[in-house]
Amino acid sequence: DTGVSQDPRHKITKRGQNVTFRCDPISEHNRLYWYRQTLGQGPEFLTYFQNEAQLEKSRLLSDRFSAERPKGSFSTLEIQRTEQGDSAMYLCASSLAGASNQPQHFGDGTRLSIL
Amino acid sequence: AQTVTQSQPEMSVQEAETVTLSCTYDTSESDYYLFWYKQPPSRQMILVIRQEAYKQQNATENRFSVNFQKAAKSFSLKISDSQLGDAAMYFCAYRGNTGNQFYFGTGTSLTVIP
Repeated sequence: DTGVSQDPRHKITKRGQNVTFRCDPISEHNRLYWYRQTLGQGPEFLTYFQNEAQLEKSRLLSDRFSAERPKGSFSTLEIQRTEQGDSAMYLCASSLAGASNQPQHFGDGTRLSIL
Repeated sequence: AQTVTQSQPEMSVQEAETVTLSCTYDTSESDYYLFWYKQPPSRQMILVIRQEAYKQQNATENRFSVNFQKAAKSFSLKISDSQLGDAAMYFCAYRGNTGNQFYFGTGTSLTVIP
């Protein structure tokens, strides 16, 4: 399977704990995106990488959130001091750079539940 | 910021019939791209169809077609000969030519009735 993979699929943690999610994009894709999706809503953009450079960050991405893509391949999203409102599905997507009509290919997501 | 509006939270269609899902968007850009994504329950979001704003011809992909009205900023999805496997959440998405963000609507949940 050469699609976008995310790990873990589910994460349950207590409020105040730190969590880290991983995304492995399609190998030849140099663009990588993180989204958050809550029930009944569409994905909301969090941040975007082209290769290892983080080029855009949403205002939704508070100081407790940090994302990295150290070698331009896989990416991690860390949430520190989790809060109830962080409960959501976190989606990763990747695409090819170049023409703007390139679609994004999504992973299965990581569902985060804060107790 | 661009906004994408899907005014139909839920839709249903009889198997083999045709259904149209609505999407409108707000933008000041003249060149952009529009997408419809499908998200089956507990499964990955996958691309259904895409449309370049500079193309006047409506995109089609087998049973899926769009009605793109640029002046009205409308981008509806028509599903013909609906199948049980079409049941899913459908999201309309916008991407500008200069930015890298995709903006998604709130989705339409489609039920296919056997």
